[in-house]
Amino acid sequence: EAEVAQSPRYKITEKSQAVAFWCDPISGHATLYWYRQILGQGPELLVQFQDESVVDDSQLPKDRFSAERLKGVDSTLKIQPAELGDSAMYLCASSLVGRTQNTEAFFGQGTRLTVV
Amino acid sequence: AQSVAQPEDQVNVAEGNPLTVKCTYSVSGNPYLFWYVQYPNRGLQFLLKYITGDNLVKGSYGFEAEFNKSQTSFHLKKPSALVSDSALYFCAVRAHTGRRALTFGSGTRLQVQP
Repeated sequence: EAEVAQSPRYKITEKSQAVAFWCDPISGHATLYWYRQILGQGPELLVQFQDESVVDDSQLPKDRFSAERLKGVDSTLKIQPAELGDSAMYLCASSLVGRTQNTEAFFGQGTRLTVV
Repeated sequence: AQSVAQPEDQVNVAEGNPLTVKCTYSVSGNPYLFWYVQYPNRGLQFLLKYITGDNLVKGSYGFEAEFNKSQTSFHLKKPSALVSDSALYFCAVRAHTGRRALTFGSGTRLQVQP
């Protein structure tokens, strides 16, 4: 069964350092999402790609976060510099592009970030 | 704007008993509604979705959900709970048009006691 791949699974970093997460969506899925999930809360969208283009980054803290999907396949999310409040689970998801928006998103296992 | 409310932080049920996890939503126009389950330190797994048509939707692992337009609800149900159903459950909504990303509720922890 096809899966969304994320790495690393766990990351511990010191505040003010840079950190990067990688995501490889399910083959053929044009839409890719990065969500952040703070412990005890639901996932919140950071950025959404359609192929290589950003569709929605309205909730992305652009002073420290950046995301790219250069060839419209895999994607990288970067934080620089990391802050203590960035400690969370970072989830990548992908979905097919259909005529309607009724397709579900498939999630990776996530990257658990701890900033110390 | 679209939003989801899951009014219960935790639901406790005995194994073999029916379970209900509540969800209400707010969206402009007609909704697409989804339920996901999350196990510790894992990503979200898709359970079921409502698109249109029959208000009772059947999904994975014996779960089903009932769409009620007048009450703007999409409650998750299962006739007989298993201990292995213990997990975190998220309801999500997306409008038919406009912003495509799912908006999630805060989650409900289901605890099934043996």
